[in-house]
Amino acid sequence: AAGVIQSPRHLIKEKRETATLKCYPIPRHDTVYWYQQGPGQDPQFLISFYEKMQSDKGSIPDRFSAQQFSDYHSELNMSSLELGDSALYFCASSLLNTRGAAGELFFGEGSRLTVL
Amino acid sequence: AQKVTQAQTEISVVEKEDVTLDCVYETRDTTYYLFWYKQPPSGELVFLIRRNSFDEQNEISGRYSWNFQKSTSSFNFTITASQVVDSAVYFCAPRMNRDDKIIFGKGTRLHILP
Repeated sequence: AAGVIQSPRHLIKEKRETATLKCYPIPRHDTVYWYQQGPGQDPQFLISFYEKMQSDKGSIPDRFSAQQFSDYHSELNMSSLELGDSALYFCASSLLNTRGAAGELFFGEGSRLTVL
Repeated sequence: AQKVTQAQTEISVVEKEDVTLDCVYETRDTTYYLFWYKQPPSGELVFLIRRNSFDEQNEISGRYSWNFQKSTSSFNFTITASQVVDSAVYFCAPRMNRDDKIIFGKGTRLHILP
């Protein structure tokens, strides 16, 4: 079965550079989520999209932005990178049977960002 | 806001022992969903089980079982006859009805010793 695809799997950037992470959800899933997991930490919710509209926002820095495109893939853009942005970034997708009814989130393998 | 507590930071057991991971959550919602995820050393997040607040029946799935007690807001997860491959970080993650996101607990790092 198709899973959530994230690219790139690994990314190394310098401070103040920009990075873009891509996520391709499971086909027919209508909701995409982004999470950030620092070393030894639990995943922290950043932002989510339902049917291409932003549905919820968590602790996402103003330097970060995200969007979901017409083909349902999503991109997380990170600018003015800081050392503290080094983390594992997960994308997840789910299917809401009805608005608010909760299906499980299926996670991609993550994109590991290292900021030097 | 909802809150989830995994009091056990780290657990070590010998292979073939049973182990229970504790989870306590706080919510004012009457309808909510509870999940357990596993994160092995390779880093991916693997969905294990889901429970709806309106279904208190506890179930067993292979070596996994869970005990959902709505009265005490607990959602404990048990691995029977543990194996070395079960070594991972386990996250309890509630999801409230009106929210889309799930909130992860701090996780319990489980070591299964051969």
